[in-house]
Amino acid sequence: SQKIEQNSEALNIQEGKTATLTCNYTNYSPAYLQWYRQDPGRGPVFLLLIRENEKEKRKERLKVTFDTTLKQSLFHITASQPADSATYLCALDISRGNTPLVFGKGTRLSVIA
Amino acid sequence: DSGVTQTPKHLITATGQRVTLRCSPRSGDLSVYWYQQSLDQGLQFLIQYYNGEERAKGNILERFSAQQFPDLHSELNLSSLELGDSALYFCASSVSTAPLLYEQYFGPGTRLTVT
Repeated sequence: SQKIEQNSEALNIQEGKTATLTCNYTNYSPAYLQWYRQDPGRGPVFLLLIRENEKEKRKERLKVTFDTTLKQSLFHITASQPADSATYLCALDISRGNTPLVFGKGTRLSVIA
Repeated sequence: DSGVTQTPKHLITATGQRVTLRCSPRSGDLSVYWYQQSLDQGLQFLIQYYNGEERAKGNILERFSAQQFPDLHSELNLSSLELGDSALYFCASSVSTAPLLYEQYFGPGTRLTVT
C-alpha cells in the first residue's frame, strides 16, 4: 500500500543546532514534494517545493533534499531558533501532478533555548 | 495572513445536525481545496474545485458535499453529523489546477465540535 512516513512525531533540539526531519514514502513515484509549516490551531504555510530532478533546494536557513532512489526527502533547518518550533508536514503527489497532495502526519519540532 | 478566509472559526453542534462551512479563496486563485485534520488522521484531502467545477475527490464521505460558486467562494456541507466528524476543516486555494506546481495557501480553519 502507499504510505508517507515522517520520521518521528516529535523532535527536540538545542537552539543553534541543525534540525533534520525525514519524510519517507513507499509505492509512490512523485514528481514533486512540498514542505509546509503548521503552528497549533492554524493552517499550514508553504515553505519549499522540490522537483524529482532537483537534488537539493535552499531558502534562507532551510534546505530540502529529494532522493527518488531512497524514496526520501530530508528537511534541514540550520541555526535553529525557538521561533522555528512548529509541526512540519511533507506533502507529495500520488499521480504525477493530476491529483492534489497527500500529506504526512508531520513532525513536531521543539527548539529549546 | 494567507488571504484565504474561512467562516465560522468555531462551530459546536449536535449529532445528526447539518452545518455549512464557507471559504473565500485568495484573490485571483481559481482552485479551492478542502481538507479535514484530526489528531489521529492528519491532514486529509476531501475535494477540489477549479473555476466552479469539481476537479478531484479524496476521502470525502457521502454525507459531505461541496460546491464552488461563480464568485469562486466555496461551501462545504456536512450532514448527519457524527462524533467522529469533529475536526479542523481547512480550505486552501492556489492559482492553478495543478497543485504541485504552485503552493497552496491555507485558511485559518474551522474547528467543528460535534457533541
